[in-house]
Amino acid sequence: EPEVTQTPSHQVTQMGQEVILRCVPISNHLYFYWYRQILGQKVEFLVSFYNNEISEKSEIFDDQFSVERPDGSNFTLKIRSTKLEDSAMYFCASNEDLETQYFGPGTRLLVL
Amino acid sequence: KNEVEQSPQNLTAQEGEFITINCSYSVGISALHWLQQHPGGGIVSLFMLSSGKKKHGRLIATINIQEKHSSLHITASHPRDSAVYICAVRSYGGSQGNLIFGKGTKLSVKP
Repeated sequence: EPEVTQTPSHQVTQMGQEVILRCVPISNHLYFYWYRQILGQKVEFLVSFYNNEISEKSEIFDDQFSVERPDGSNFTLKIRSTKLEDSAMYFCASNEDLETQYFGPGTRLLVL
Repeated sequence: KNEVEQSPQNLTAQEGEFITINCSYSVGISALHWLQQHPGGGIVSLFMLSSGKKKHGRLIATINIQEKHSSLHITASHPRDSAVYICAVRSYGGSQGNLIFGKGTKLSVKP
């Protein structure tokens, strides 16, 4: 069964460093999303992406965040200058219609 | 105030029991999702509802739009059902991925 994949599974970085989280959505999907979950808290929406542009973003998704679909398969989330509070699990998701979303396994980011 | 409230926060059941998890929301919605989060963190989508009822195997999800309430039922529960169950809503007018999540209900099913 097709699945969404994410790399790396874990990343440790120093405060102020740039990180790029990578996702490979399911191949025929058209809609892509990033969510985050701070440890012990609820999942939060970051951004949705369709037709090579951001369709909606949350207040969390400020200027230090960016998303890109650099080729036909990858979907990336970049955090330009990480802060301690960016430590969280980041989930990518995709779907092809308005029904089921398929989530990736997540990248656990720790900012020191 | 949380826009999506789930109850109970924690639930322990014996294998075979019928389980109900509730979700109430305060915003107008176009869809409601039930998700399952495994202990390792992975999230699986169980249902998306905009009205009525859906069933998949031992899982049943219902929604009452007028009362702004949804329930997830698990029949003949099994230890492998142990997970966090999350309710998430797409508010009316929001993009399909812009979901507001509840805090989740942690279910533990004992053999």
